[in-house]
Amino acid sequence: DIQLTQSPSSLSASVGDRVTISCRASQSIGIFLNWYQQKPGKPPKLLIYASSNLQSGVPSTFSGSGSGTDFTLTISGLQPDDFASYYCQQSYSPPYTFGQGTNLEIK
Amino acid sequence: QVQLVQSGSEVKKPGSSVRVSCKTSRDTFSNYAITWVRQAPGQGLEWMGRIIPFVGMTNYAQKFQGRVTITADQSTTSAYMDLSSLTSEDSATYYCTRADCSGNSCYYQHWGQGTLVIVSS
Repeated sequence: DIQLTQSPSSLSASVGDRVTISCRASQSIGIFLNWYQQKPGKPPKLLIYASSNLQSGVPSTFSGSGSGTDFTLTISGLQPDDFASYYCQQSYSPPYTFGQGTNLEIK
Repeated sequence: QVQLVQSGSEVKKPGSSVRVSCKTSRDTFSNYAITWVRQAPGQGLEWMGRIIPFVGMTNYAQKFQGRVTITADQSTTSAYMDLSSLTSEDSATYYCTRADCSGNSCYYQHWGQGTLVIVSS
Protein backbone atom coordinates (compact mmCIF):
# COMPACT_ATOMS: atom_id res chain seq x y z
CA ASP A 1 0.00 0.00 0.00
CA ILE A 2 1.09 3.58 -0.65
CA GLN A 3 1.74 5.52 2.53
CA LEU A 4 1.16 9.28 2.69
CA THR A 5 2.96 11.31 5.35
CA GLN A 6 1.74 14.82 6.06
CA SER A 7 3.69 17.49 7.84
CA PRO A 8 3.19 19.16 10.13
CA SER A 9 0.55 17.21 12.06
CA SER A 10 -0.65 20.43 13.62
CA LEU A 11 -0.10 24.08 12.85
CA SER A 12 -0.97 27.35 14.57
CA ALA A 13 -1.38 30.44 12.43
CA SER A 14 -3.09 33.82 12.36
CA VAL A 15 -5.67 35.30 10.02
CA GLY A 16 -3.86 36.66 6.99
CA ASP A 17 -0.90 34.27 7.26
CA ARG A 18 0.36 32.10 4.42
CA VAL A 19 0.66 28.44 5.38
CA THR A 20 2.03 25.38 3.66
CA ILE A 21 1.18 21.75 4.33
CA SER A 22 3.30 18.98 2.86
CA CYS A 23 2.37 15.45 1.81
CA ARG A 24 5.00 12.85 0.91
CA ALA A 25 4.15 9.56 -0.79
CA SER A 26 6.07 6.34 -0.17
CA GLN A 27 6.40 5.83 -3.93
CA SER A 28 5.86 7.92 -7.02
CA ILE A 29 2.19 8.65 -7.69
CA GLY A 30 2.48 11.08 -10.60
CA ILE A 31 -0.01 13.87 -10.00
CA PHE A 32 -2.70 11.61 -8.51
CA LEU A 33 -2.98 13.53 -5.27
CA ASN A 34 -6.05 15.26 -3.85
CA TRP A 35 -6.55 17.61 -0.90
CA TYR A 36 -9.57 17.85 1.41
CA GLN A 37 -10.69 20.16 4.19
CA GLN A 38 -12.75 18.82 7.07
CA LYS A 39 -14.58 20.54 9.87
CA PRO A 40 -15.91 18.81 13.00
CA GLY A 41 -19.02 16.73 12.42
CA LYS A 42 -18.93 17.20 8.65
CA PRO A 43 -17.72 15.03 5.77
CA PRO A 44 -14.55 16.14 3.99
CA LYS A 45 -14.73 18.83 1.33
CA LEU A 46 -12.68 18.50 -1.85
CA LEU A 47 -10.28 21.42 -2.36
CA ILE A 48 -7.73 20.35 -4.96
CA TYR A 49 -7.62 17.36 -7.32
CA ALA A 50 -4.82 16.01 -9.50
CA SER A 51 -2.24 17.91 -7.45
CA SER A 52 -3.02 21.42 -8.64
CA ASN A 53 -6.57 21.68 -9.96
CA LEU A 54 -8.80 23.91 -7.87
CA GLN A 55 -12.25 22.44 -7.31
CA SER A 56 -15.09 24.67 -8.46
CA GLY A 57 -16.24 27.04 -5.74
CA VAL A 58 -13.06 26.80 -3.69
CA PRO A 59 -11.38 30.18 -3.05
CA SER A 60 -8.30 30.95 -5.09
CA THR A 61 -6.38 31.44 -1.85
CA PHE A 62 -5.95 27.65 -1.96
CA SER A 63 -3.37 26.17 -4.30
CA GLY A 64 -1.65 22.84 -4.76
CA SER A 65 1.56 21.72 -6.37
CA GLY A 66 3.88 18.78 -6.74
CA SER A 67 4.38 15.51 -8.56
CA GLY A 68 6.02 12.17 -7.96
CA THR A 69 6.40 11.86 -4.19
CA ASP A 70 6.28 15.43 -2.86
CA PHE A 71 3.21 17.62 -2.77
CA THR A 72 2.20 20.90 -1.16
CA LEU A 73 -1.04 22.63 -0.22
CA THR A 74 -0.70 26.37 0.22
CA ILE A 75 -3.24 28.72 1.72
CA SER A 76 -2.41 32.35 0.95
CA GLY A 77 -4.08 34.77 3.31
CA LEU A 78 -5.78 32.66 5.95
CA GLN A 79 -9.43 33.43 6.61
CA PRO A 80 -11.33 32.53 9.80
CA ASP A 81 -13.22 29.85 7.87
CA ASP A 82 -9.97 28.10 6.92
CA PHE A 83 -9.20 26.81 10.41
CA ALA A 84 -9.92 23.11 10.03
CA SER A 85 -8.25 19.78 9.38
CA TYR A 86 -6.63 19.02 6.03
CA TYR A 87 -5.98 15.65 4.40
CA CYS A 88 -4.14 14.53 1.32
CA GLN A 89 -5.27 11.40 -0.53
CA GLN A 90 -3.72 9.45 -3.38
CA SER A 91 -5.73 8.13 -6.31
CA TYR A 92 -2.86 6.35 -8.04
CA SER A 93 -3.61 2.80 -6.97
CA PRO A 94 -6.02 1.13 -4.53
CA PRO A 95 -6.25 1.27 -1.60
CA TYR A 96 -6.56 5.01 -2.16
CA THR A 97 -4.99 6.00 1.11
CA PHE A 98 -5.23 9.27 3.05
CA GLY A 99 -2.53 11.12 4.91
CA GLN A 100 -2.86 11.28 8.68
CA GLY A 101 -4.12 14.86 8.58
CA THR A 102 -2.98 18.35 9.57
CA ASN A 103 -4.92 20.29 12.16
CA LEU A 104 -4.79 24.04 11.46
CA GLU A 105 -5.54 26.09 14.55
CA ILE A 106 -5.85 29.78 15.27
CA LYS A 107 -2.82 31.26 17.00
CA GLN B 1 -28.07 17.50 -7.20
CA VAL B 2 -25.99 14.49 -6.25
CA GLN B 3 -27.15 12.83 -3.05
CA LEU B 4 -25.82 9.92 -1.08
CA VAL B 5 -28.08 9.16 1.87
CA GLN B 6 -26.80 6.84 4.57
CA SER B 7 -28.61 4.76 7.14
CA GLY B 8 -28.85 5.83 10.76
CA SER B 9 -26.62 5.38 13.77
CA GLU B 10 -25.98 1.94 15.17
CA VAL B 11 -24.97 0.57 18.57
CA LYS B 12 -23.46 -2.91 18.42
CA LYS B 13 -22.00 -5.45 20.81
CA PRO B 14 -18.39 -6.58 20.47
CA GLY B 15 -18.15 -9.59 18.18
CA SER B 16 -21.27 -8.71 16.21
CA SER B 17 -21.64 -7.30 12.71
CA VAL B 18 -23.01 -4.06 11.29
CA ARG B 19 -24.46 -3.11 7.92
CA VAL B 20 -24.43 0.50 6.73
CA SER B 21 -26.33 1.45 3.61
CA CYS B 22 -25.80 4.28 1.13
CA LYS B 23 -28.76 5.19 -1.09
CA THR B 24 -27.79 6.79 -4.41
CA SER B 25 -29.46 7.86 -7.63
CA ARG B 26 -29.67 5.60 -10.66
CA ASP B 27 -27.12 7.79 -12.45
CA THR B 28 -24.63 7.46 -9.61
CA PHE B 29 -25.22 3.73 -9.26
CA SER B 30 -24.78 3.13 -12.97
CA ASN B 31 -21.73 5.27 -13.64
CA TYR B 32 -19.58 5.72 -10.53
CA ALA B 33 -17.59 3.77 -7.99
CA ILE B 34 -18.80 4.00 -4.39
CA THR B 35 -16.14 4.07 -1.69
CA TRP B 36 -16.37 3.64 2.08
CA VAL B 37 -14.20 5.75 4.38
CA ARG B 38 -14.27 5.71 8.16
CA GLN B 39 -13.13 8.10 10.87
CA ALA B 40 -12.68 7.14 14.50
CA PRO B 41 -13.35 9.90 17.07
CA GLY B 42 -10.60 12.51 16.91
CA GLN B 43 -8.71 10.50 14.28
CA GLY B 44 -8.02 10.74 10.57
CA LEU B 45 -9.74 9.37 7.50
CA GLU B 46 -9.31 5.70 6.65
CA TRP B 47 -10.05 4.25 3.21
CA MET B 48 -11.82 0.93 3.63
CA GLY B 49 -12.83 -0.24 0.17
CA ARG B 50 -14.89 0.44 -2.90
CA ILE B 51 -17.31 -1.12 -5.32
CA ILE B 52 -17.86 -0.34 -8.97
CA PRO B 53 -21.51 -1.43 -9.24
CA PHE B 54 -21.77 -1.55 -13.02
CA VAL B 55 -18.91 -4.04 -13.29
CA GLY B 56 -19.32 -5.67 -9.90
CA MET B 57 -15.70 -5.10 -8.94
CA THR B 58 -14.52 -4.52 -5.39
CA ASN B 59 -11.23 -3.51 -3.76
CA TYR B 60 -10.56 -3.62 -0.03
CA ALA B 61 -7.84 -2.19 2.16
CA GLN B 62 -5.68 -5.03 3.44
CA LYS B 63 -6.42 -4.00 7.02
CA PHE B 64 -10.09 -4.95 6.56
CA GLN B 65 -9.68 -7.99 4.29
CA GLY B 66 -11.85 -10.84 5.52
CA ARG B 67 -13.91 -8.58 7.77
CA VAL B 68 -15.51 -6.15 5.35
CA THR B 69 -17.84 -6.85 2.46
CA ILE B 70 -19.08 -4.13 0.15
CA THR B 71 -22.06 -4.89 -2.07
CA ALA B 72 -24.48 -3.05 -4.31
CA ASP B 73 -28.14 -3.66 -5.11
CA GLN B 74 -29.40 -2.41 -8.46
CA SER B 75 -33.05 -2.68 -7.43
CA THR B 76 -32.53 -0.15 -4.62
CA THR B 77 -29.56 1.71 -6.19
CA SER B 78 -27.85 1.34 -2.84
CA ALA B 79 -24.41 0.29 -1.72
CA TYR B 80 -23.84 -1.60 1.50
CA MET B 81 -20.88 -2.00 3.81
CA ASP B 82 -20.87 -5.00 6.13
CA LEU B 83 -18.24 -5.15 8.87
CA SER B 84 -17.96 -8.23 11.07
CA SER B 85 -16.20 -9.22 14.31
CA LEU B 86 -16.63 -5.73 15.69
CA THR B 87 -14.41 -4.40 18.46
CA SER B 88 -14.36 -1.07 20.25
CA GLU B 89 -11.76 0.06 17.73
CA ASP B 90 -14.43 -0.07 15.04
CA SER B 91 -16.38 2.70 16.76
CA ALA B 92 -16.32 5.42 14.15
CA THR B 93 -18.27 7.50 11.67
CA TYR B 94 -18.57 5.67 8.37
CA TYR B 95 -18.93 7.65 5.15
CA CYS B 96 -19.82 6.61 1.64
CA THR B 97 -18.53 8.74 -1.20
CA ARG B 98 -18.71 8.77 -4.96
CA ALA B 99 -15.57 8.75 -7.07
CA ASP B 100 -15.70 11.42 -9.75
CA CYS B 101 -12.96 11.41 -12.37
CA SER B 102 -11.33 13.95 -14.65
CA GLY B 103 -9.34 11.98 -17.15
CA ASN B 104 -7.46 9.35 -15.15
CA SER B 105 -7.58 11.38 -11.94
CA CYS B 106 -10.38 10.48 -9.52
CA TYR B 107 -11.48 12.28 -6.36
CA TYR B 108 -14.28 12.41 -3.81
CA GLN B 109 -16.51 15.41 -4.34
CA HIS B 110 -19.82 14.02 -3.07
CA TRP B 111 -20.21 12.41 0.34
CA GLY B 112 -22.93 10.85 2.43
CA GLN B 113 -23.79 12.47 5.74
CA GLY B 114 -21.97 9.81 7.75
CA THR B 115 -23.20 6.98 9.96
CA LEU B 116 -22.02 6.72 13.55
CA VAL B 117 -21.33 3.17 14.69
CA ILE B 118 -20.69 2.62 18.38
CA VAL B 119 -19.36 -0.73 19.57
CA SER B 120 -19.94 -1.21 23.26
CA SER B 121 -20.80 -3.99 25.66
